[in-house]
Amino acid sequence: KNEVEQSPQNLTAQEGEFITINCSYSVGISALHWLQQHPGGGIVSLFMLSSGKKKHGRLIATINIQEKHSSLHITASHPRDSAVYICGITGNQFYFGTGTSLTVIP
Amino acid sequence: EAQVTQNPRYLITVTGKKLTVTCSQNMNHEYMSWYRQDPGLGLRQIYYSMNVEVTDKGDVPEGYKVSRKEKRNFPLILESPSPNQTSLYFCASSLLFPDTQYFGPGTRLTVL
Repeated sequence: KNEVEQSPQNLTAQEGEFITINCSYSVGISALHWLQQHPGGGIVSLFMLSSGKKKHGRLIATINIQEKHSSLHITASHPRDSAVYICGITGNQFYFGTGTSLTVIP
Repeated sequence: EAQVTQNPRYLITVTGKKLTVTCSQNMNHEYMSWYRQDPGLGLRQIYYSMNVEVTDKGDVPEGYKVSRKEKRNFPLILESPSPNQTSLYFCASSLLFPDTQYFGPGTRLTVL
């Protein structure tokens, strides 16, 4: 069973494009997390949110609790944004999606 | 520097040879957790610890043990490793639960 589903699995964009990655989940949560994993393998937390919207630089994360859906937006994408983006949820423990692999072409 | 450290970073071993992967954080975090990451399956939680002396199973605990005797350390123990435990392992910590997770650099384990 997959508590967390992400789409798309793979995404290629031209530099400067606006990007959206979607995350849907099927259980009640206390928080939703967006992570970034670069090709070297290290994982960095981008956002943790339980309602509304958060912004950090060119990244925006939104969540709709009623619809059990979250989106991660990247404005003015850049090749250095190329990475795998992972959505995770916390109920009593963590569950993660399988990630969205983003490639931004110069 | 605030960080989560894991050792070793790479390990190749043979079936049945007990091993320990160490995890240490210097941020005085209460919550610590172990994950494995496999292609097509993503990150899956193995064990977690809400605070010292309190640990609980995650989604895939079979074949693993943990201990949390002190706040900063949370070692992962494989008593009798098998090839299906070949994976990339991450330790993470956070001040509380749920909270922003800080991940270690990962340990790539191969069991032959």
